[in-house]
Amino acid sequence: AQSVTQLGSHVSVSEGALVLLRCNYSSSVPPYLFWYVQYPNQGLQLLLKYTSAATLVKGINGFEAEFKKSETSFHLTKPSAHMSDAAEYFCAVSSPSGTYKYIFGTGTRLKVLA
Amino acid sequence: ETGVTQTPRHLVMGMTNKKSLKCEQHLGHNAMYWYKQSAKKPLELMFVYSLEERVENNSVPSRFSPECPNSSHLFLHLHTLQPEDSALYLCASSQDPDRGFDEQYFGPGTRLTVT
Repeated sequence: AQSVTQLGSHVSVSEGALVLLRCNYSSSVPPYLFWYVQYPNQGLQLLLKYTSAATLVKGINGFEAEFKKSETSFHLTKPSAHMSDAAEYFCAVSSPSGTYKYIFGTGTRLKVLA
Repeated sequence: ETGVTQTPRHLVMGMTNKKSLKCEQHLGHNAMYWYKQSAKKPLELMFVYSLEERVENNSVPSRFSPECPNSSHLFLHLHTLQPEDSALYLCASSQDPDRGFDEQYFGPGTRLTVT
């Protein structure tokens, strides 16, 4: 069975500071991993995804994530936070073995302080 | 219209009402999904349709009834709901449901309040 754990339901950073959102996964097969962002009153939007090519994945809006198999982690980072990054971020895992449903984490709400 | 659209955006209904949520995708995708998003809980997958055939039903109560008349449209029919059914209902689509690496495209959701 697969699962995803996002540490910290709320994270606050100052504008211009490093953003680090944590995601750990559990999977018996090599996973596909995703980060989605949800702005208020909107649906989820894909930020980036890992599909077993490069372990460092670059996404939209300056975000990137690194797949670390030894740590079963896929943390999301951005070097410098912007006010517009305030949103809720979801990590998700999917399986290449033919299943078609994501397992989502509980989300991390990012607050950016001026 | 582009992407995935959902109507209505907000819905308030009594426990004895019958209403329907509508989703439309303009992406030419083959799979469509209904999710329930409640506060402080992970997104819950409710139903999956692939080429208009239901392929997943995650133990959802029968008071929720999905319908997929074609690959572009998805409905969620609601009747005799409970207050705990109040949530944001998200529709999503993807190209091929059997490809785990496909991203899903989400609509903006319908905020449902059951009184």
